[in-house]
Amino acid sequence: DAGITQSPRHKVTETGTPVTLRCHQTENHRYMYWYRQDPGHGLRLIHYSYGVKDTDKGEVSDGYSVSRSKTEDFLLTLESATSSQTSVYFCAISDGTGTTANYGYTFGSGTRLTVV
Amino acid sequence: AQSVTQLDSQVPVFEEAPVELRCNYSSSVSVYLFWYVQYPNQGLQLLLKYLSGSTLVKGINGFEAEFNKSQTSFPLRKPSVHISDTAEYFCAVSDQGTGGFKTIFGAGTRLFVKA
Repeated sequence: DAGITQSPRHKVTETGTPVTLRCHQTENHRYMYWYRQDPGHGLRLIHYSYGVKDTDKGEVSDGYSVSRSKTEDFLLTLESATSSQTSVYFCAISDGTGTTANYGYTFGSGTRLTVV
Repeated sequence: AQSVTQLDSQVPVFEEAPVELRCNYSSSVSVYLFWYVQYPNQGLQLLLKYLSGSTLVKGINGFEAEFNKSQTSFPLRKPSVHISDTAEYFCAVSDQGTGGFKTIFGAGTRLFVKA
């Protein structure tokens, strides 16, 4: 979608190697999120950020870390990839503020990661 | 804790027929409700949202949903579907927690529209 890009779009990596996925936005939105999508599970939140250097864990954060050093970039790192982390990863952004309504997310096109 | 249940994993329907996709949620606080659509090999796209006010909300592509607080439901409806509506639909609930908003998604309902 316009305003949010994910890279790479596809990646195949070996078990035990580190992997970093990048989300870049040009909308100056405060909130950024990483989700993984797996059949039968919908989307599950991994980590999210509510500002530069402000991040928190989601429901499936084990094995993942994130960093946000600039408003526009949110990085997801798999420290040591495992086959259970084979998935499609989506980044999302939101312009909701801390005290007003959440106006919904804009999603990136996803990164398909295969761990062999 | 929030949760979202989409009661149907797949819904087949003929073109021009009406459709309803079910969604139930649980939350201990006031919530915001959403429906997203995902076409093959694409990200999710916001279809409609309920934030407050009128319980009937209209979205893009002729879809609408009705917030029912007593039944904790938010079904998605369309009076006449097209082949192009074939996609996966996700119901989602969001509330304000520590550090901002988090959204929980249902497992999705795959809508197949047949000619």
